[in-house]
Amino acid sequence: DTGVSQNPRHKITKRGQNVTFRCDPISEHNRLYWYRQTLGQGPEFLTYFQNEAQLEKSRLLSDRFSAERPKGSFSTLEIQRTEQGDSAMYLCASSLGSGYNEQFFGPGTRLTVL
Amino acid sequence: RKEVEQDPGPFNVPEGATVAFNCTYSNSASQSFFWYRQDCRKEPKLLMSVYSSGNEDGRFTAQLNRASQYISLLIRDSKLSDSATYLCVVTTSGTYKYIFGTGTRLKVLA
Repeated sequence: DTGVSQNPRHKITKRGQNVTFRCDPISEHNRLYWYRQTLGQGPEFLTYFQNEAQLEKSRLLSDRFSAERPKGSFSTLEIQRTEQGDSAMYLCASSLGSGYNEQFFGPGTRLTVL
Repeated sequence: RKEVEQDPGPFNVPEGATVAFNCTYSNSASQSFFWYRQDCRKEPKLLMSVYSSGNEDGRFTAQLNRASQYISLLIRDSKLSDSATYLCVVTTSGTYKYIFGTGTRLKVLA
């Protein structure tokens, strides 16, 4: 399967714990995006990378959230001191790096904070 | 006011019906427009891009009205398999992030 992959697919954690998610984009795509989706809502933008550079971050991305893409390939999203309000589906997408190209989404990581 | 607004539905239609969804956007600098389809508990997948001249793909037709700042999606001859949430997506100049509407839920009934 050469699509976007995300791990883990599901994560259940207790409030206050740290969690880390991984996204592997389509290999030739140099843009990578993170979104968050809650029930009944469309995905909300969190951040995106062009190669290893983080070019934009949403105000939704509090200081408890950090994202990296160290070698311009896979990316990680870490949430520190999780809160119940962090429970959501975290979607990763990737696209080619020229123009407004289609974003391809991974299957998501569903986070439940107890 | 949200940047991208959609009627959340659900729209319940019988098989074979024609159904249309609208989506309005608030930023006149919006650059690109898309319709994505999302099945329950799955990731969004591109249904079609929306071009200024309008475009058609089989039973699906998308149109853009820049003057009134809305895009539309028309589905003809609805199939049971069209049941899903249809997400309106807008991008603006200077950024490549997607701005999504809340989605419109469609149920096609036998």
